[in-house]
Amino acid sequence: GENVEQHPSTLSVQEGDSAVIKCTYSDSASNYFPWYKQELGKGPQLIIDIRSNVGEKKDQRIAVTLNKTAKHFSLHITETQPEDSAVYFCAASITGWAGNQFYFGTGTSLTVIP
Amino acid sequence: EAQVTQNPRYLITVTGKKLTVTCSQNMNHEYMSWYRQDPGLGLRQIYYSMNVEVTDKGDVPEGYKVSRKEKRNFPLILESPSPNQTSLYFCASRAGSNTGELFFGEGSRLTVL
Repeated sequence: GENVEQHPSTLSVQEGDSAVIKCTYSDSASNYFPWYKQELGKGPQLIIDIRSNVGEKKDQRIAVTLNKTAKHFSLHITETQPEDSAVYFCAASITGWAGNQFYFGTGTSLTVIP
Repeated sequence: EAQVTQNPRYLITVTGKKLTVTCSQNMNHEYMSWYRQDPGLGLRQIYYSMNVEVTDKGDVPEGYKVSRKEKRNFPLILESPSPNQTSLYFCASRAGSNTGELFFGEGSRLTVL
């Protein structure tokens, strides 16, 4: 099955700096890559996703890039704010067939220091 | 409000005492699944269901059972809990069985003594 690796496991940045979290995947058939944010005491929530026919996607201060050849994708958060502090999970999935699983990375705990 | 509701949110139990964690969604989603979250291991899928009366194993199904008798409910059953099932459990749902955003519940923290 799919194997998703995520780095780093913890990340501290100063408020206003950028944060980058990287993931690699093993199954070249994976074509959907969401990122989830988990705040303390809550369930993960989707913040951005990208499909394999796109190389980059942006939503305000958040962007995701995908390199299909190298099988890696990254989350970029610019101008970080204290409310960005959370655990972030990447995932890989194959859409288009029934029962497809989401394979999650091990998570990155991001701390934004005011 | 669209949501996935889990109960209980916190539970301490003892080895061997059967328990059920309930999950309900109000979005008419076809697909529902259960994950466990453990430090350093991320989210791992336990079981999933593509529709009523259709369930299948995920990556870590041992020691768990599920049922899907109604579209909105997907309970997780631990027939004989053991300490290695101490974990944070999440129920999730999505509209289609092959695509769409996963919506998560707020989690159920289970401790088995």
